[in-house]
Order: sequence, then structure tokens, then C-alpha cells
Amino acid sequence: DAGVIQSPRHEVTEMGQEVTLRCKPISGHDYLFWYRQTMMRGLELLIYFNNNVPIDDSGMPEDRFSAKMPNASFSTLKIQPSEPRDSAVYFCASSFDRYLGNEKLFFGSGTQLSVL
Amino acid sequence: AQSVAQPEDQVNVAEGNPLTVKCTYSVSGNPYLFWYVQYPNRGLQFLLKYITGDNLVKGSYGFEAEFNKSQTSFHLKKPSALVSDSALYFCAVNDNYGQNFVFGPGTRLSVLP
Repeated sequence: DAGVIQSPRHEVTEMGQEVTLRCKPISGHDYLFWYRQTMMRGLELLIYFNNNVPIDDSGMPEDRFSAKMPNASFSTLKIQPSEPRDSAVYFCASSFDRYLGNEKLFFGSGTQLSVL
Repeated sequence: AQSVAQPEDQVNVAEGNPLTVKCTYSVSGNPYLFWYVQYPNRGLQFLLKYITGDNLVKGSYGFEAEFNKSQTSFHLKKPSALVSDSALYFCAVNDNYGQNFVFGPGTRLSVLP
């Protein structure tokens, strides 16, 4: 398997523009997570899905952020409108059901977002 | 609420010497504890985990970690450091009730030749 695939690797945009980040989890994984990493706040969980259903979105900073998982092999994180303080590295991760004994996350390589 | 502390922002060690990266945690219930490593421009990679059983767990690349319940610690160790071990290391905790992995702030390990 190719692992968790994220696109784009880098995104540079201007304030006010819409940004869409994409993620393809590992086939067969039923949990998908979106994290944001900054120097100031470290690694923060934004939202996670189980079987394509959002379970906990309490980490989503505000209404400008939204995430969807239309099927088991694809998820998006959208920021509209984007602001400079959204600049960060956004990671997608996936995992098996914990009760199957696979309690670990597999991370993608991340999307480096710069909002000017 | 669960939390993880990594008291050192940076750890420097000479190649060939033993290394320790410290982690303490707070969680209600039994903890699931993890170490992840992040190399530049890469996502986090799993190193090892403690779920139950032996307090000393062994993981990838010669790393091991010791779970100490009384001190609520889960320190990462390696007997002989390599320059290639230089990276950012994250401790994480998960409780029995959810899928939320809480990560520590990370410790940057520099192994000097």
C-alpha cells in the first residue's frame, strides 16, 4: 500500500481565498483524522471520522473550516475564507478500529499551507 | 482530560551514547501510550506503544520505552544513539474511551557525530 496520500504538498494562497486539502487513507482503515501542526500550538486534532461519519469536530477552530468524507477512500478539509493565521502544516492520518488491536496512526506527508 | 508533557524542547547527545527523551502523561483510566518520530518534511511515524503487559516495550530502530505507572511516565530510550536518529519525537496518549490521540509538544533530538 502507498500509505496515506495527501495533496497538494504545498499550497500558497492569498487571504480570503478558498483552500481545499485532500487525503486518501490507507485502504481498509476505518478511522481518518485531520491534524494541524504549528510551532506555537504543536499538533492539534481538528476532526476525526469513523466509517465516513464525523465523530468529533470539537477541534475545528471556527466555521471557516469544514471537513467531509464522502467515501472510505477520500476526505477533504476546506478553509473558506482563508486567513494568514491558518498557515500551518496539515496532516491526515488513518487507522484501523482500535478493538482489532491496531491502535496506531499512519500519517501522510502533510500539506504545507501558507496564506499571504 | 488527558494530557502529555515533554519537559525538554531539545536533547543533545553524542553519537554512541545512550539517549533518553522524557514524557509524562495524565489520563483517566488506563493509558495507551505511544512514541512517534518526525523527520524533516515528513509525517509522523510510529515507533512503539504500550497498551498492557511488560513495562518495557521495544520498538523500531532499536528504541525502547519504559512505562512507570507510579510516576506517570513513559520515557523513550536507546542504548547507543546514531546521527540518523536526529529528529522530532512526540509522545502521545489515548484513553480507553475514544480515538483521540493527544500529542505532547515534541522534543527535538540532535545526535552529534
